[in-house]
Formats: sequence, structure tokens, C-alpha cells
Amino acid sequence: AQTVTQSQPEMSVQEAETVTLSCTYDTSESDYYLFWYKQPPSRQMILVIRQEAYKQQNATENRFSVNFQKAAKSFSLKISDSQLGDAAMYFCAYRRGGSQGNLIFGKGTKLSVKP
Amino acid sequence: KAGVTQTPRYLIKTRGQQVTLSCSPISGHRSVSWYQQTPGQGLQFLFEYFSETQRNKGNFPGRFSGRQFSNSRSEMNVSTLELGDSALYLCASSLDLIHLQFGNGTRLTVT
Repeated sequence: AQTVTQSQPEMSVQEAETVTLSCTYDTSESDYYLFWYKQPPSRQMILVIRQEAYKQQNATENRFSVNFQKAAKSFSLKISDSQLGDAAMYFCAYRRGGSQGNLIFGKGTKLSVKP
Repeated sequence: KAGVTQTPRYLIKTRGQQVTLSCSPISGHRSVSWYQQTPGQGLQFLFEYFSETQRNKGNFPGRFSGRQFSNSRSEMNVSTLELGDSALYLCASSLDLIHLQFGNGTRLTVT
């Protein structure tokens, strides 16, 4: 069975600084997707960034980028120039490829941003 | 474009009762998934519907059921509520079955 592990329950970063959130996963599949979701107090899960396993290039979305190490099964999220609005729970998620599959989430990392 | 809409936002029920939660997907999305979020278990997959058919089901007891209507709106039902069913229930819709967009959730409290 696939699993997703986020080893940092809480992280803190100073405004304008950079922070990296860790995520490891376990799968025997070769085709899959990885995601980072943000959940602010409003409760809505917001997609931050996604990575297709077959793509070697790391995904980037503005201040958010990932370090995807397929052999190590590692998928970390880097947030640059942190802003107060980045404070939230961050969830790493895995989905197998193909038309059938559900998201498997890690336990989450609570990110605090200090002014 | 309107996002995924879940109603109600909050619900309080007593043990033994049943509850129905509603989810309206983004227009054009035919896939709807449901997830349960609790502090202890985290986010767990309940089920997924596509064109009124349940395509996938998580590891939950039969008290949890769902359905999808021809307009892609979905409902989930929990019968004989237990204290442990207290959770945030999140619905998500998808156009391509892979990239999910979530609603704000329904917070269910069972007393």
C-alpha cells in the first residue's frame, strides 16, 4: 500500500525568508502524481503545486517550488519570500496514475509565519 | 466560475441519528470525491463518483454511503452516527479525475 509521510508536524519561518517542508512517500508504482495542498483556517484545501512522476524537471509555481527526488521517493516543498498569508496546514498527497485512484495524504505540517 | 459548494457548513447531530451532506461540483466536472478529515486519522478517502457511478470506495463501514445525481451533484449519508464520526467532510470535484478542487467542507459534530 502506498503511504505518505510528513515528518515535521510544525514549522516556523520568518516573513520574507525561505522554508522547506519535507515529504516522503512509498509506492511500487511507476506512474503517479504528487501534490502539495494548503489548508488555511477557512478549511478549503487549495492546490499549491503538482508534479507528474514521469517529469524529471521540478515543478515551480511563483514562490513555490518542489525538489522531487524520485529514486529517494522524496518530494519537498520550498516556499521562498514567505508571506503572512502562507501560514496554514500543508499536506503532501500522492495519487497513482491512470483513471482510477484516490489521494493519499500525509498527516500535514503546520506552518507559522512570523512578522 | 463558482467553486465546489458544500452544504451545510456546520451540523450537530446526536448519536444514532443519520445525516446527509450535499456537494455541488464545479460546472462541467463529472467526478466527485469525498474525504473525511479528523485530528487523529488525518485525511481519509471515502468514495468517488463519476457519471452517477461509484468508481472507488475507501475503507469505511457500510454506514457511510453516497450517491451522485445526473447533474453531478453528490450527497453522502452517514447512518447510526457514532461519536467518532465527528469530522470535517470534504468534497472535491475534478474534470480529469486527477486534479481535485475542494470545497470548504462540512463540519459534523456528533454528541
